[in-house]
Amino acid sequence: DVKVTQSSRYLVKRTGEKVFLECVQDMDHENMFWYRQDPGLGLRLIYFSYDVKMKEKGDIPEGYSVSREKKERFSLILESASTNQTSMYLCASSFPDRKIYGYTFGSGTRLTVV
Amino acid sequence: DQQVKQNSPSLSVQEGRISILNCDYTNSMFDYFLWYKKYPAEGPTFLISISSIKDKNEDGRFTVFLNKSAKHLSLHIVPSQPGDSAVYFCAASWTGTASKLTFGTGTRLQVTL
Repeated sequence: DVKVTQSSRYLVKRTGEKVFLECVQDMDHENMFWYRQDPGLGLRLIYFSYDVKMKEKGDIPEGYSVSREKKERFSLILESASTNQTSMYLCASSFPDRKIYGYTFGSGTRLTVV
Repeated sequence: DQQVKQNSPSLSVQEGRISILNCDYTNSMFDYFLWYKKYPAEGPTFLISISSIKDKNEDGRFTVFLNKSAKHLSLHIVPSQPGDSAVYFCAASWTGTASKLTFGTGTRLQVTL
């Protein structure tokens, strides 16, 4: 069964901490994405990557960075966590051809910043 | 600027009846549309898609309709079942952005007995 695995289901971090969210996929997908889901706002794209070491900003990149050193792994980094980054974070991956069933999502990481 | 909008945050439907979820978009460049279903504490899962060259696509109990002139799509679920209770997101993309998807805000569907 193909999978996108996010390392943590729940995280609680303090304001100002550096936070790493890890995502691994086993489908040999070229594309990987990080979204956050907030009530009333839907899914908003933070960053995405079309290839190893390639990254592009999404709609809400401020306060975040990413790393993709290997094809299967895409990390989201909160440089200095703030309370407004409390959210559900979803990682996804896909083939370049969007018509192949769109994205496969991970189960999400619920991050609380206190 | 919300390019994909789902104006109904929630919908309640009786088991066995039809559920109709709506989605509007503003970007006329969008040419491929998808619906995802999300249960609590799980990631969204792909449900059904439609290309702009079609106006209807069916898969079992699920049918998506696309009205390009109105920039509107809808998802019909017939008959609705309790297991369909979830949040539904529509998403859109266009050729220029390859596989990048823009999602709507979601509609929570509750199917009651």
